[in-house]
Amino acid sequence: DTGVSQNPRHKITKRGQNVTFRCDPISEHNRLYWYRQTLGQGPEFLTYFQNEAQLEKSRLLSDRFSAERPKGSFSTLEIQRTEQGDSAMYLCASSYSGTNMNTEAFFGQGTRLTVV
Amino acid sequence: AQSVTQLDSHVSVSEGTPVLLRCNYSSSYSPSLFWYVQHPNKGLQLLLKYTSAATLVKGINGFEAEFKKSETSFHLTKPSAHMSDAAEYFCVVTIGGSQGNLIFGKGTKLSVKP
Repeated sequence: DTGVSQNPRHKITKRGQNVTFRCDPISEHNRLYWYRQTLGQGPEFLTYFQNEAQLEKSRLLSDRFSAERPKGSFSTLEIQRTEQGDSAMYLCASSYSGTNMNTEAFFGQGTRLTVV
Repeated sequence: AQSVTQLDSHVSVSEGTPVLLRCNYSSSYSPSLFWYVQHPNKGLQLLLKYTSAATLVKGINGFEAEFKKSETSFHLTKPSAHMSDAAEYFCVVTIGGSQGNLIFGKGTKLSVKP
């Protein structure tokens, strides 16, 4: 297992287009998180899943954003009708949370979105 | 509500001198605290974590941090900086050990001069 994998690494899109990002977590991890990071800022929480259930969503996640994790493995983050303000690095992380053990969150390298 | 404040946006040190990156937190509950490092074009990497065990936490690459409840601080230190330590460092808080919503500070960029 090579860690958390995100695709694509870079995406340039025109304003108004839809984009979809994919995250493949570490295989035994049951939690998966999405964060957004803009220049000069720390990552901001968007949402997280425990297995296939989406347990928490940030107010930052407007109705143009949707995330899924249909089989409790990989996840997708879709942004509809992109705006220039959506330009950012989108980070995915995964961790394991259980009765007797919690691991830290491991992060992917991110998908950099540029909306022109 | 939980939050972290990183007191310096940029710290510059000479190679071989001590590093101090400051972080204050706010939490209504018993917090878990972390330091992550982000090198250019690389993913965030965990340096160390505090989860209510020992207050002095040792991490990778010679870094350590001390949890001080009375000062609501979790400063990151290293006795001797190395050129490879140049990166962005983030202080992070979450509630207990549940690893739910990680709340990041704005980051401190560490520069190391030869």
